[in-house]
Amino acid sequence: GAGVSQSPRYKVAKRGQDVALRCDPISGHVSLFWYQQALGQGPEFLTYFQNEAQLDKSGLPSDRFFAERPEGSVSTLKIQRTQQEDSAVYLCASSLALGGNYGYTFGSGTRLTVV
Amino acid sequence: KNQVEQSPQSLIILEGKNCTLQCNYTVSPFSNLRWYKQDTGRGPVSLTIMTFSENTKSNGRYTATLDADTKQSSLHITASQLSDSASYICVVTKSSGDKLTFGTGTRLAVRP
Repeated sequence: GAGVSQSPRYKVAKRGQDVALRCDPISGHVSLFWYQQALGQGPEFLTYFQNEAQLDKSGLPSDRFFAERPEGSVSTLKIQRTQQEDSAVYLCASSLALGGNYGYTFGSGTRLTVV
Repeated sequence: KNQVEQSPQSLIILEGKNCTLQCNYTVSPFSNLRWYKQDTGRGPVSLTIMTFSENTKSNGRYTATLDADTKQSSLHITASQLSDSASYICVVTKSSGDKLTFGTGTRLAVRP
């Protein structure tokens, strides 16, 4: 597709449930990023990949969060044993290459609500 | 403390008027600064990107300025339209990496 696609758009999970959020980056984009955006706040960095390599996961808030990109294209962000504080919009962005001056294209996000 | 501070938090203006949004940052060393527009329920969309050596960058009715000495940037919107209603987010990249540091945004509402 022409843009970054995220699914599902909305997810309601019961506390303690595991969830998986998917990101389809723009074809050929080497870099892929995950961000967490709480209501009324700016996005906060979670992790990023160059191809299949996870170069930085310093933003993952706990070991319940796990991200993978096994073939260097589609990425999945998994949250185990969800808690209410995990409720947020999870944004995925991709970029043609690493190097800060490249443009980033964001998906529309997945809004996760933990009840 | 957030390394990218934006003001005002929210702003209401009448259609056709101009406005200026502010961004102060402490991220160092600095690589580039971007302004994004984020409509409700959508991902951020890039408006401008400026490197250390650039002072101003325009994109249609949007003009961004950068003063790297004082670590300040502004986004000026001319002749506002209803469709400009959105959050405007200032984003700074460190030169040592690729993580984007986002401000909390300014929520702009343009009224008819």
